[in-house]
Amino acid sequence: GESVGLHLPTLSVQEGDNSIINCAYSNSASDYFIWYKQESGKGPQFIIDIRSNMDKRQGQRVTVLLNKTVKHLSLQIAATQPGDSAVYFCAEKGNSNSGYALNFGKGTSLLVTP
Amino acid sequence: KAGVTQTPRYLIKTRGQQVTLSCSPISGHRSVSWYQQTPGQGLQFLFEYFSETQRNKGNFPGRFSGRQFSNSRSEMNVSTLELGDSALYLCASSLRTGPSGANVLTFGAGSRLTVL
Repeated sequence: GESVGLHLPTLSVQEGDNSIINCAYSNSASDYFIWYKQESGKGPQFIIDIRSNMDKRQGQRVTVLLNKTVKHLSLQIAATQPGDSAVYFCAEKGNSNSGYALNFGKGTSLLVTP
Repeated sequence: KAGVTQTPRYLIKTRGQQVTLSCSPISGHRSVSWYQQTPGQGLQFLFEYFSETQRNKGNFPGRFSGRQFSNSRSEMNVSTLELGDSALYLCASSLRTGPSGANVLTFGAGSRLTVL
């Protein structure tokens, strides 16, 4: 079946630097993508989403870029802070027309060092 | 505004037993989804309920079942537990109003199941 995957399992950055987390997806029919952050002991927390009719969307310190040509999604975090340390998941909405299911990537662990 | 509430947070069962997990969605959210999270498989979709009807089901055996009540609260049940069912079970709710709409899922903290 279709899958969503991440290029890097771990990413270590220094506080204040920008972080980029990448994600490849294989379902060209996907029309909705979303990034979640999960801290230890907590459920995934919404960061930002983007629909397939857009190629860029910005939030507070975060930007999501969507390249449908190469089926690539990225999350950029500006001025990374220690509180950003977490596992980040990308997800795509599945193909079903009768329900709503997200296909998640395996996750990238972001470690922010002082 | 209260978030998604899952109970119990932690539980330990033995093989062959069954377990029921509960989820209270955000007020006004009519869609409730369940996901299983394990270190090896990551986050995997179990099923989604909308207006008390199962709308979508993931690739899990029939031992995994669920239901949704008229107040949108949901339960999932796993029968004849196996060691491999040890996982974090996450419930999420959304404002999805149509059959193919996509809205943000808000997750609860999860129920950590350990099967011995």
